Amino acid sequence: ETGVTQTPRHLVMGMTNKKSLKCEQHLGHNAMYWYKQSAKKPLELMFVYSLEERVENNSVPSRFSPECPNSSHLFLHLHTLQPEDSALYLCASSQDLALSTDTQYFGPGTRLTVL
Amino acid sequence: RKEVEQDPGPFNVPEGATVAFNCTYSNSASQSFFWYRQDCRKEPKLLMSVYSSGNEDGRFTAQLNRASQYISLLIRDSKLSDSATYLCVVNGGGSYIPTFGRGTSLIVHP
Repeated sequence: ETGVTQTPRHLVMGMTNKKSLKCEQHLGHNAMYWYKQSAKKPLELMFVYSLEERVENNSVPSRFSPECPNSSHLFLHLHTLQPEDSALYLCASSQDLALSTDTQYFGPGTRLTVL
Repeated sequence: RKEVEQDPGPFNVPEGATVAFNCTYSNSASQSFFWYRQDCRKEPKLLMSVYSSGNEDGRFTAQLNRASQYISLLIRDSKLSDSATYLCVVNGGGSYIPTFGRGTSLIVHP
């Protein structure tokens, strides 16, 4: 399935590096999400965008910076991360936030390791 | 109280067994309910929506109990390939963002 793609799939970075995660959805959806999933922990919602406007910022540290240039693309810019930020970062999209019946489609994730 | 609660398991069952998971939710105004499946090191994928009257998809049956605020997933004739984490998701009722449970791990062994 290629509805939601994420690059890179794997990333290893040092604490002083700056990197960006990219997500692209080909489903014509209006809402996009970033989640963090650490080992043996539940999904943690990070950011939500609706029609390119950020509608949720779930107390995420400023070393994570999202960007949504258009409704098909979502980025997560990373800088001065900590080892505890190592996790699987999942992007998702859904048709419309206003629809409670909306279902989410996830990308394959970026597995991030911070050394 | 957590918004969406699930027993993390793992549920360890033999092939062919019937297994059921429950998920409770705290927002009585919630309107939409789903089960997602997540395989090891993969992304979550929608398994099925849960309708008020209950619904079935092959070996999988989902039920909603609004009075007690829980949903359930029943898997009959378990297969090895059913081994995964099953995530309960609740939406609506003033929140426009789906709320995920922590997931229930199922291991089906030969």
